[in-house]
Order: sequence, then structure tokens, then C-alpha cells
Amino acid sequence: EAGVTQFPSHSVIEKGQTVTLRCDPISGHDNLYWYRRVMGKEIKFLLHFVKESKQDESGMPNNRFLAERTGGTYSTLKVQPAELEDSGVYFCASSPVLAGTGTYNEQFFGPGTRLTVL
Amino acid sequence: QKEVEQDPGPLSVPEGAIVSLNCTYSNSAFQYFMWYRQYSRKGPELLMYTYSSGNKEDGRFTAQVDKSSKYISLFIRDSQPSDSATYLCAMSEYGNKLVFGAGTILRVKS
Repeated sequence: EAGVTQFPSHSVIEKGQTVTLRCDPISGHDNLYWYRRVMGKEIKFLLHFVKESKQDESGMPNNRFLAERTGGTYSTLKVQPAELEDSGVYFCASSPVLAGTGTYNEQFFGPGTRLTVL
Repeated sequence: QKEVEQDPGPLSVPEGAIVSLNCTYSNSAFQYFMWYRQYSRKGPELLMYTYSSGNKEDGRFTAQVDKSSKYISLFIRDSQPSDSATYLCAMSEYGNKLVFGAGTILRVKS
């Protein structure tokens, strides 16, 4: 079974440009998450989709970030316009339907997209 | 103050040593406690999780949660060079949004 895939693996852009990151979750996983790790900091939650609906977008830093999940399959995260502080590694994770209380529904992580804004 | 505190290390041990990794947290609403392992240029992968307080063992790995002290630990017995990686603690209130520690870099020397 294929894991979570992310594209591109690395992106270098100039400040002010637009970048779109893509995540393909494990087939059949309704839950899709975006996280990011900026230099020297911990991995931080950005948002959570259940199928095509945004369940929780409390971690999105500002309105320069737009996430979509059309049809409940793959997801894109667009940064427009990119700023220097957006540099970091963006991780996508997916999990099947939410389990009951006491059972952790494992989030499977992709390898990440390393974004460098110059 | 961060919600989850984790010493970034690096922690360097000889092969065969017992490794102790730990995290403290401030949010008493956390109920799910996870340990993820991350190799260079890879995504985190789940090692173990514990719901609420208690201990859990899986092979050479033991996870402990003390909710009264807001302290969690991961013990690795008979450490191997292949255990060299970054170990991330992660916590969650409902099992969805994860709050991570900074990660501890572990190096096991052969």
C-alpha cells in the first residue's frame, strides 16, 4: 500500500511569489492534516480536513495560506504571496475514520516539502 | 511558555545502553500521548501511543505517562545504531490535532 506522498520534495522561490504544495493521502483516508516545521521550531498543526470539509483550521497563520481538498482526495496548500518566514518543511498526514475514545487513529506522515523563500 | 517541552539534545549513548527520553506539558486536557520517530529527510512515523495515564510496552520500547505530573517518557532498552533518529513526543486532546515537542536527536554509537 502506497504511503502519503507529497510534491514537490523541495521548492525554492522568491519572496512575493506563489507556491502550491500537493499532498496525496493514503487511499481511503478521510482525514487529512497539514503541519509545518519552521527552522529551529517544533512541528505545528495547520489544519485538518475530513473528506473535503475543513474541520479545524485554527493553525493557519494568516490569509496568505489557502488549503483545498477537492473531492475529498488530494489536497493542495497554496502560499500567496510567500514571505521569508514561510520557509520550512510542510508535512501532510492522513488517517482513516476517527476512532472511538481511547483509540488513537494513527496519522501517517508524508516525507514533507521543504520550502525555501529567498 | 510552550505547551510541550522537550530537550532537543543531542543525546549520544553507546550501543546497548538504556535510553530515556521525556517531555513535559502544560495542557491538562491532553489525553493522547504519542512518540514518533523521524529519520533524516523522512516524515515522522508512529512508535507508540498511550491513552490517559499508564505504561505501555512494545519490544524494546516502553512508554510511560504520568498525568498528575504532566510528564511522559520513552525508554529504549538495548539501544542499537539503527535507533539513531529524532524522537518526537506528540499530544492531543481528542486524537486529531497533534501538539509536538521540539524533538530529541538520539545518536547510538557502535
